[in-house]
Amino acid sequence: AQKVTQAQTEISVVEKEDVTLDCVYETRDTTYYLFWYKQPPSGELVFLIRRNSFDEQNEISGRYSWNFQKSTSSFNFTITASQVVDSAVYFCALNQGGSEKLVFGKGMKLTVNP
Amino acid sequence: DGGITQSPKYLFRKEGQNVTLSCEQNLNHDAMYWYRQDPGQGLRLIYYSQIVNDFQKGDIAEGYSVSREKKESFPLTVTSAQKNPTAFYLCASTANRGDGETQYFGPGTRLLVL
Repeated sequence: AQKVTQAQTEISVVEKEDVTLDCVYETRDTTYYLFWYKQPPSGELVFLIRRNSFDEQNEISGRYSWNFQKSTSSFNFTITASQVVDSAVYFCALNQGGSEKLVFGKGMKLTVNP
Repeated sequence: DGGITQSPKYLFRKEGQNVTLSCEQNLNHDAMYWYRQDPGQGLRLIYYSQIVNDFQKGDIAEGYSVSREKKESFPLTVTSAQKNPTAFYLCASTANRGDGETQYFGPGTRLLVL
């Protein structure tokens, strides 16, 4: 069975702090895909990143970085120098190879205070 | 502009009433999906369609129905059999069928029961 766990439900930081959002996943497959989405107060899910199970390279995109570690089944997301506009709910999701389904974690609400 | 549109933004349902949520995309995407989001929860898959005139049940299909008569449209009907329909409904699409494809989401429809 597939499962995604986002243990933190809510985090509050002050602007310019760094913050890491944890994501732990479970799957029996060797081929799978991991995603992060951002859901601002407007409600629409915004795609941030996709990673397949064969690519463990970490990625940096501006203030965002992702750390994928198969050994610990984790795909953590770090925001450096957080800004108020980063306030949102962030979802980690897993797609198992051979399946159309995305399995979502319960999300983590990030509040960045000025 | 290419994208996914959902209407209406808010929808009110009376007891015993069927209501239909619209989802349209002009991205020429093959596959389309419907998800339900409850407060503090991740998204759960209701139905998905990989091709016109074909669709499959997701994890929580009971009380819902869909159709896919056109590539760009995937309406969701919430029937009177759905006893707890109050939720945020999100439509998504992917460019191609198959696993691992990135799902792009519409702005959502919030359904409330009167």
